Amino acid sequence: DAGVTQSPTHLIKTRGQHVTLRCSPISGHKSVSWYQQVLGQGPQFIFQYYEKEERGRGNFPDRFSARQFPNYSSELNVNALLLGDSALYLCASSLVVTGAYEQYFGPGTRLTVT
Amino acid sequence: LAKTTQPISMDSYEGQEVNITCSHNNIATNDYITWYQQFPSQGPRFIIQGYKTKVTNEVASLFIPADRKSSTLSLPRVSLSDTAVYYCLVGDGPGSGNTGKLIFGQGTTLQVKP
Repeated sequence: DAGVTQSPTHLIKTRGQHVTLRCSPISGHKSVSWYQQVLGQGPQFIFQYYEKEERGRGNFPDRFSARQFPNYSSELNVNALLLGDSALYLCASSLVVTGAYEQYFGPGTRLTVT
Repeated sequence: LAKTTQPISMDSYEGQEVNITCSHNNIATNDYITWYQQFPSQGPRFIIQGYKTKVTNEVASLFIPADRKSSTLSLPRVSLSDTAVYYCLVGDGPGSGNTGKLIFGQGTTLQVKP
């Protein structure tokens, strides 16, 4: 079975631009979460979606938004990019939404903002 | 969610047993303890989860004392490929109603030498 897939692998954007990152969960997983990982730090929670509804939101500005589609894939959108948005963006999927500490992460999208 | 404290880095040699201890003094009654492993430029990977006493799987063992204020991840006979960052997480268990948000600290960077 395929694991969590993310696209694109790498992305270079300019300050002020918009970016869309995509994630496909493991087949059968209905929960998708997004994390931002800055170099040298642990991943930071951004959003969690379950059955197309937002179930959790981290401490990120409104420039960050996400959605989940009927097939449970998800998109993370970031508007008005800042240099500080440069990071590895990770998507994780899980079977359930509550207390789901066994989550499966994708390889991430490396975003560089110049 | 309970805060965790773990060493920033550890060194070991191939074939040795490695024990990484995590402190979580404010752990709540329904909190589980979970460990993740992360290689450079990859998403974290679930290693093991436990509530009390000892849990063992094909990869590692997790020792949790009776007071549950700390836990120790034990990696038997490490190899060079075990060089990675190891994260200790504490939070609500399955079915608790929590969103399943993972809160990562800085983790422990384990360097295995030949």
